[in-house]
Amino acid sequence: AQRVTQPEKLLSVFKGAPVELKCNYSYSGSPELFWYVQYSRQRLQLLLRHISRESIKGFTADLNKGETSFHLKKPFAQEEDSAMYYCALNPSNTGKLIFGQGTTLQVKP
Amino acid sequence: GAGVSQSPRYKVAKRGQDVALRCDPISGHVSLFWYQQALGQGPEFLTYFQNEAQLDKSGLPSDRFFAERPEGSVSTLKIQRTQQEDSAVYLCASSRYPNTGGETQYFGPGTRLLVL
Repeated sequence: AQRVTQPEKLLSVFKGAPVELKCNYSYSGSPELFWYVQYSRQRLQLLLRHISRESIKGFTADLNKGETSFHLKKPFAQEEDSAMYYCALNPSNTGKLIFGQGTTLQVKP
Repeated sequence: GAGVSQSPRYKVAKRGQDVALRCDPISGHVSLFWYQQALGQGPEFLTYFQNEAQLDKSGLPSDRFFAERPEGSVSTLKIQRTQQEDSAVYLCASSRYPNTGGETQYFGPGTRLLVL
């Protein structure tokens, strides 16, 4: 079955601390993975995708096929990073994104 | 430029009523997706249009759900005889090209439907 799991509903850290938002996927093919973010009172928007191997707002995510993971990391969290983060899988390039349940990141001052 | 817009933003319906939710994608975007997001969950795929063609409706939960995009731009998601379990946020997303992978989906603000 194709599935995305985000084991943490809430992650609370202090400003300046490192952040790791976990994402595990279940998919038999070559996965295409994304992180989407939703800030308070804003719409869901793309943060980054694994094929771009980019760093956006200091966040990076590395695809680990052996562990079927795509964890989102940032070395020093900022208060403006507080938001809901969703990991998503695009199976077989269909565009039918499969989302995890989301993790709320709370960065305390 | 203008992003994806959806209307109404909020809808309260009595059980058994029919509702229609509208999505205006970004101008010129070929692909259009509908997702359903229940409280505390991630969005779940409902259906996909490429221009006016509905290429995938595998996520529609029942035959009470119907979607159309007759001229390849605006789309309407219709729910007949609404039930309480239909209460959710309905998200629309569009992308520039036919979905061949790697395309960014741009999401609308969603319509929050509450069925009493």
